[in-house]
Amino acid sequence: LAKTTQPISMDSYEGQEVNITCSHNNIATNDYITWYQQFPSQGPRFIIQGYKTKVTNEVASLFIPADRKSSTLSLPRVSLSDTAVYYCLVGDSSNTGKLIFGQGTTLQVKP
Amino acid sequence: DSGVTQTPKHLITATGQRVTLRCSPRSGDLSVYWYQQSLDQGLQFLIQYYNGEERAKGNILERFSAQQFPDLHSELNLSSLELGDSALYFCASSVGQGNEQYFGPGTRLTVT
Repeated sequence: LAKTTQPISMDSYEGQEVNITCSHNNIATNDYITWYQQFPSQGPRFIIQGYKTKVTNEVASLFIPADRKSSTLSLPRVSLSDTAVYYCLVGDSSNTGKLIFGQGTTLQVKP
Repeated sequence: DSGVTQTPKHLITATGQRVTLRCSPRSGDLSVYWYQQSLDQGLQFLIQYYNGEERAKGNILERFSAQQFPDLHSELNLSSLELGDSALYFCASSVGQGNEQYFGPGTRLTVT
């Protein structure tokens, strides 16, 4: 069974780069690794998705090492509006399609 | 607005009762996912449907069941409700399998 580990919380200041790592062993071999952002009382919102190496979009970068046992979400130059909970989502190693969310990392951005 | 709609927004019911949560996916999305979010368990994957067929199962209790209809909307049925079933239930949809998911606003279920 896949197991994920994320830091419970992180603090940062506006304008800084923030890196959040999710450790995930025994994940599905063919599934993407996906990150979501969630604000209070809202559904999670897609940030970025990748399979291996590095992926970048307009809001974030995702680094995945070759062994896929972890992934790091990088948020460049965070602002106060980036204060939220961030989750990684992976597929279970059973390759049955079962999905597993990380416990979530609460990011607090300070002025 | 993700394009995914869920009804009702709030639901208060008593232990032992049965409720049905409804989800309409984004236009064009064939996959629907159901999740439960509670303070102690976090976000838990329950079940996924693709074009009307069950594709993956997570930690869904036997008291819970779901289905996806020909028009692609989905319903999650929760029966013999217990206090511990109180949670936020999210529905998400995606174009296919493994694609980015779009989440609805959730249904907050309170069992008293």
